[in-house]
Amino acid sequence: NAGVTQTPKFRVLKTGQSMTLLCAQDMNHEYMYWYRQDPGMGLRLIHYSVGEGTTAKGEVPDGYNVSRLKKQNFLLGLESAAPSQTSVYFCASSYRLAGVGEQFFGPGTRLTVL
Amino acid sequence: LAKTTQPISMDSYEGQEVNITCSHNNIATNDYITWYQQFPSQGPRFIIQGYKTKVTNEVASLFIPADRKSSTLSLPRVSLSDTAVYYCLVGAGGTSYGKLTFGQGTILTVHP
Repeated sequence: NAGVTQTPKFRVLKTGQSMTLLCAQDMNHEYMYWYRQDPGMGLRLIHYSVGEGTTAKGEVPDGYNVSRLKKQNFLLGLESAAPSQTSVYFCASSYRLAGVGEQFFGPGTRLTVL
Repeated sequence: LAKTTQPISMDSYEGQEVNITCSHNNIATNDYITWYQQFPSQGPRFIIQGYKTKVTNEVASLFIPADRKSSTLSLPRVSLSDTAVYYCLVGAGGTSYGKLTFGQGTILTVHP
């Protein structure tokens, strides 16, 4: 099993450009999450999904959109990238809701917005 | 959100026991406490989870006092490979979906 995979691993954008980050999991997990990690800030939850076709806002959702059209995939979109969105993005999935279950994290996507 | 506070860094030596404490004064009744380990350029990895008292697995122990306002991750006999960042996560499993708060992390450095 590949676990949780993320595409791409690195990306450089110019301000105003758009892009989509793809997260895929092969563990048949219901719950999926997108986090961003900035120096000295730990991980902050952007959006999450409790099942196919459902999404919800986390702690820092502004400037991002998500979609979960298939159970195994969770997409994170940036419609108009800003330098403040320069970060490392982690996707995670879990069998139970993250607070009471183990989250499995992907390797991360390092995004730089110029 | 339950705010968490951890020491920024800790140093230890191989073979010693390491205890990392996380403060979470406003933890909610249905919040669980989870600890993750992260190596450079990797995603976090689950270590242990608990709700109250003591939990032990093959790699660590988690101590939670009765008031649950703090928790301590205990790593027995650390080795160089335990050098990593350790995160405390407080979150709810009930209706508080999405209320997950990671601490800022503790950089643990294990010396030979």
